[in-house]
Amino acid sequence: DAGVTQSPTHLIKTRGQQVTLRCSPKSGHDTVSWYQQALGQGPQFIFQYYEEEERQRGNFPDRFSGHQFPNYSSELNVNALLLGDSALYLCASSLAVVSGANVLTFGAGSRLTVL
Amino acid sequence: DQQVKQNSPSLSVQEGRISILNCDYTNSMFDYFLWYKKYPAEGPTFLISISSIKDKNEDGRFTVFLNKSAKHLSLHIVPSQPGDSAVYFCAASGLVYSGGGADGLTFGKGTHLIIQP
Repeated sequence: DAGVTQSPTHLIKTRGQQVTLRCSPKSGHDTVSWYQQALGQGPQFIFQYYEEEERQRGNFPDRFSGHQFPNYSSELNVNALLLGDSALYLCASSLAVVSGANVLTFGAGSRLTVL
Repeated sequence: DQQVKQNSPSLSVQEGRISILNCDYTNSMFDYFLWYKKYPAEGPTFLISISSIKDKNEDGRFTVFLNKSAKHLSLHIVPSQPGDSAVYFCAASGLVYSGGGADGLTFGKGTHLIIQP
């Protein structure tokens, strides 16, 4: 049973460019969340998608956008890249819950370097 | 403004002894607390969680304690094993989000646990 898969694993972009990261959730999961992990920091919540809609958003600018497809996979888009966007981008999936902890299954991440 | 704080960047413990990792939080609206473990080049993996209505949750060698009045939680690993060497993240979330799914997690910066043979 495949877990969460992300692509690409590594990529290098220059300032001002745009990037798209992709995520396939764990089988049976319907909710996808994206997190940014800068060096030496914990993961920071970007947004969450459920039923193809953005349901919740963290403190990130509009340059960060996303999409969820009918098969539950998701994309994260970042426009007008800044040096500070260099980070590990983690995708996490879960099953929508009516109560209880939000137990996430994480992918290994996409390492973005902005030069 | 860091709402979840792990004040020890690293911790070294001898194999077989107890490892205690600490976490403090400031937001009284948090209802669930989780611990994740992360190995290099892998995503974080869920370890154990606790609801705010409990003060202890146990799963094998792992026990999480919650002190709501002090806004403090700790993870105990007994006995510590070499495979426990990893970065441990404390995370917190609020109630289930009314729009579906659940509240985004707020993570601490992590504690690097090193188990010495």
